[in-house]
Amino acid sequence: DTAVSQTPKYLVTQMGNDKSIKCEQNLGHDTMYWYKQDSKKFLKIMFSYNNKELIINETVPNRFSPKSPDKAHLNLHINSLELGDSAVYFCASSPRQATSGNTIYFGEGSWLTVV
Amino acid sequence: SQKIEQNSEALNIQEGKTATLTCNYTNYSPAYLQWYRQDPGRGPVFLLLIRENEKEKRKERLKVTFDTTLKQSLFHITASQPADSATYLCALSLRGYQKVTFGIGTKLQVIP
Repeated sequence: DTAVSQTPKYLVTQMGNDKSIKCEQNLGHDTMYWYKQDSKKFLKIMFSYNNKELIINETVPNRFSPKSPDKAHLNLHINSLELGDSAVYFCASSPRQATSGNTIYFGEGSWLTVV
Repeated sequence: SQKIEQNSEALNIQEGKTATLTCNYTNYSPAYLQWYRQDPGRGPVFLLLIRENEKEKRKERLKVTFDTTLKQSLFHITASQPADSATYLCALSLRGYQKVTFGIGTKLQVIP
């Protein structure tokens, strides 16, 4: 019973294409995230949603559009893919209680390669 | 903006020794500091969280310290085992903020 699951795990696509990565969590958490880990292994937040509401939007190109149909799902759609978008994208979730510290539960990652 | 510094060079230690990893931060003092483990090809996994008013936290062979004066956290693994080989990420969050910022991680290699 996977806590945070994302699909696909591997994605190879050509420049200019549009692709989506889906994510679901069964932990009952209110907050979900998308993180990007680049070739230098630096893990950087892209978006955060709380109960379907966008609360963090880092300086990400508007080709990236997250969508949260409900609090258990957060999908990432990427338009007009570029070579520089090649990275590992991690979906994650955390409980809402900020006073307890936002311990983050990560999915296994989606390896995106743009050729 | 908040900056986290971890030694990006790999740390090699002999099995059975204590591994000590360092996390330094600049600017604001975080309300919480966390450590995660990441294995190749996997997502990070939470290990320990320490609050700003705590000096030390332990969990089995793991120990984390938090020194707000030095702006530093140390992560210790005692009696290290080859299975402890992984990359360890430091992460911090400011009070009242949802955002958690990660360091680049330190790769630990435990040699049998």
